[in-house]
Amino acid sequence: SQTIHQWPATLVQPVGSPLSLECTVEGTSNPNLYWYRQAAGRGLQLLFYSVGIGQISSEVPQNLSASRPQDRQFILSSKKLLLSDSGFYLCAWSPRKNTGELFFGEGSRLTVL
Amino acid sequence: ELKVEQNPLFLSMQEGKNYTIYCNYSTTSDRLYWYRQDPGKSLESLFVLLSNGAVKQEGRLMASLDTKARLSTLHITAAVHDLSATYFCAVDPIAGTASKLTFGTGTRLQVTL
Repeated sequence: SQTIHQWPATLVQPVGSPLSLECTVEGTSNPNLYWYRQAAGRGLQLLFYSVGIGQISSEVPQNLSASRPQDRQFILSSKKLLLSDSGFYLCAWSPRKNTGELFFGEGSRLTVL
Repeated sequence: ELKVEQNPLFLSMQEGKNYTIYCNYSTTSDRLYWYRQDPGKSLESLFVLLSNGAVKQEGRLMASLDTKARLSTLHITAAVHDLSATYFCAVDPIAGTASKLTFGTGTRLQVTL
């Protein structure tokens, strides 16, 4: 069966510091991969998605970037964090040509101070 | 821009009662999803609705989709405390390579004894 893992689960970072969140999927190949952010008490916002290695689509302009160095690995980064980057970051995957259903990882809670 | 609205935003109900959560969306789509989120946790997929008139049931929850009215409902029958969570609907406006889901604001359900 397929599984998705994110880390770290929690982190507290100072403003201006770099960020790296990592997500890996097991048990499938050629998945579509996604990064969502959930601000406190709010819905989810799609940040990036990828349909293949090195292929990244950005949905909103922001202080973040994403990379997909391997088929089942998706990384969310920032060179300098802002206070507004705080939130709950969720990685998700979906099979190609399917129902469109997304399967989410456990999430990474980022607090920028 | 696709808008997905849920109501109510907060619902407090007694155990044993029935209630319905509504999800309206602003553009044509026949792909709608329901997710559950427990406090501090990730999202769990509940239902995938892929055609007009689709109805899915799991335990005390039943979801339906009316694509002409751009409306989905999540009906709760004889609520129990374990159903307390936040419920999100999400819409995929285009059946493309990737699933670019737009989420509603969520409905926080509290079931009291």
